[in-house]
Amino acid sequence: EVRLVESGGGLVKPGGSLRLSCAASGFTFGRYTMTWVRQAPGKGLEWVSSISSNSGYIYYADSLKGRVTISRDNAKKSLVLQLNSLRVEDTALYYCARELAGTPGFDYWGQGTLVIVPS
Amino acid sequence: YELTQPPSVSVSPGQTATITCSGDKLEIKYCCWYQQKPGQSPVLVIYEDTTRPSGIPERFSGSNSGNTATLTISGTQAIDEADYYCQAWNSSFYVFGTGTKVTVL
Repeated sequence: EVRLVESGGGLVKPGGSLRLSCAASGFTFGRYTMTWVRQAPGKGLEWVSSISSNSGYIYYADSLKGRVTISRDNAKKSLVLQLNSLRVEDTALYYCARELAGTPGFDYWGQGTLVIVPS
Repeated sequence: YELTQPPSVSVSPGQTATITCSGDKLEIKYCCWYQQKPGQSPVLVIYEDTTRPSGIPERFSGSNSGNTATLTISGTQAIDEADYYCQAWNSSFYVFGTGTKVTVL
């Protein structure tokens, strides 16, 4: 069974940093592109960042470029999102998701980890 | 790049719900659709414009032509009440649609 479990969320002051993690199991992690998607309270889905299977390709949303770093450790089956210079508008539930093999789309999602940046 | 969806769609049980997603030259990009129920993570219901993942009921179907992708729910059931999002890959980034709340009256 494919499982994605996020952790690392919490309450952080504006300007602070946070490191989100996603632990994967139930599939060959190193063969898949992985992604972070966020959802602000009561709002829609927003793609954050994607990283290819061997970390050779990395993409970021313009809204977060320069403040976020995605990385992965295939041996540990782990995906990481480093968030810096956090803003109130970064408050959201951050999901880890697996990309379909060879085609756009996300077939498995975690339950999300909540990041709160108070005003 | 933006994908625009109607904010809401209402449908009677057993009828057909149609959700549109508009974007520039969308037909040349593969479009996906997700269903999200309150308090739950999104679920992929359509990818590559028309393909249903394993376990998704046949009443869900998709199409993509011109600037508009469409998700159709035939014989809508109460359990289909949810938010629906389209999504496309645009060369170096993903974009989600604005989302549509489907209400089954």
